[in-house]
Order: sequence, then C-alpha cells, then structure tokens
Amino acid sequence: QKEVEQDPGPLSVPEGAIVSLNCTYSNSAFQYFMWYRQYSRKGPELLMYTYSSGNKEDGRFTAQVDKSSKYISLFIRDSQPSDSATYLCAMSDTNFGNEKLTFGTGTRLTIIP
Amino acid sequence: GAGVSQSPRYKVAKRGQDVALRCDPISGHVSLFWYQQALGQGPEFLTYFQNEAQLDKSESPSDRFFAERPEGSVSTLKIQRTQQEDSAVYLCASSPPPAYEQYFGPGTRLTVT
Repeated sequence: QKEVEQDPGPLSVPEGAIVSLNCTYSNSAFQYFMWYRQYSRKGPELLMYTYSSGNKEDGRFTAQVDKSSKYISLFIRDSQPSDSATYLCAMSDTNFGNEKLTFGTGTRLTIIP
Repeated sequence: GAGVSQSPRYKVAKRGQDVALRCDPISGHVSLFWYQQALGQGPEFLTYFQNEAQLDKSESPSDRFFAERPEGSVSTLKIQRTQQEDSAVYLCASSPPPAYEQYFGPGTRLTVT
C-alpha cells in the first residue's frame, strides 16, 4: 500500500462547477501538505501548502487538512477551462535532512466549457 | 526571475547507454531535489542535496543512478547502463529554506529503446 493514495480520475466537470479533490495518507509523521498543478509536459507548480490541520484559502482555491482522519482536500470554486490539468497532492514531515516530498498519483481534471 | 531549467528536455538512449541529465536551480536556492515520474504516476523522490552535500539517496531505484552537485549549484543526474524501466520524466526541484516549498523544472523525458 502506498503512503499517499489519490484517485487518478479522470474527472470531468462543467465550467463553473465546484471541484473536490482528495488524498488519504498513512504516515502520521507528515506535517506539511501541498497541492501541485501539472499541465501536460510541464513540471509541477505549487498551488497551496498547509501546515498541520486546518483550512487555507487562496482565491478560488481552498485546501483542507484533517490529520485525525489522515485526509486532505482541495476545492476549486467557479472552475475554469484553464484549471484543466493534473492535480498532485504532496506531503512532507519535519525531520531535518528528510524534506523529500511524497506525492499521490495525481488526479487528471478536465473542465468542460 | 528565471526558474529551474533542465537539459536536455528529451533524451532517447539505447539500452545499455549511459546518460547525463542537467539541472540549473534557481539562483541562491540551497536545496536541490531529483524525482522520477513514470507515465501516469506522481513524482517519486530519488535524492536531495543541501548545497554540495548529498543528504538523502535512500529512494534511488538502482545503484546505476548517481547524482552530483560539486559546487552547490548545478546538478547532474547520471544513469549508467540504462534499462527500459528507466524510461520516465526526471524532474529537478530547488528550494530556499524551508524545503517544503519546492519549485520544479520542466523535466527531462528519457526514453530507453
């Protein structure tokens, strides 16, 4: 079993809909939680990061972390065709010298105009 | 400013050949990471440098993989005697402290025939 599980999709929604993307994890040492967006043939681009449990909002994007359930979410409001991409969750623990990111498989999202 | 750059962007190698992949991090970034991303998967950590010191290579898929960063800036990932299972996109990321904010390059797509 992988440390981070993410539904690979694909997920297709109409423009303007609210999108919900999720990951679960098994390693309780994870403290930092990130969402990356990856367009085809490009490198991942950091969207949001959250430390420990709680919510964080940035424009149309909201990240939620529930450490008790080992579950994280990314919500996209008023989705746009330009949001079509693969969304990767990533996690890290806080041990010095061990700042590698552990990624989910990625969810491929298509916003239909 | 300029982001992380990688070269070449595409590399085709015959099985058994050695390849060298280059990463130019963002100027001033202390940490540098290499990840391997297979088709349809999330990036998987390979190794990590802080300045010129290689701190973590526990996830390297094979002893044929060798990375260096001799002057603490540019890094090279060398793969010896390439195999078909090495076909993937190799991503480089750099980071100022704290290291969970990693900025990725576009990747090198390696195809081993």
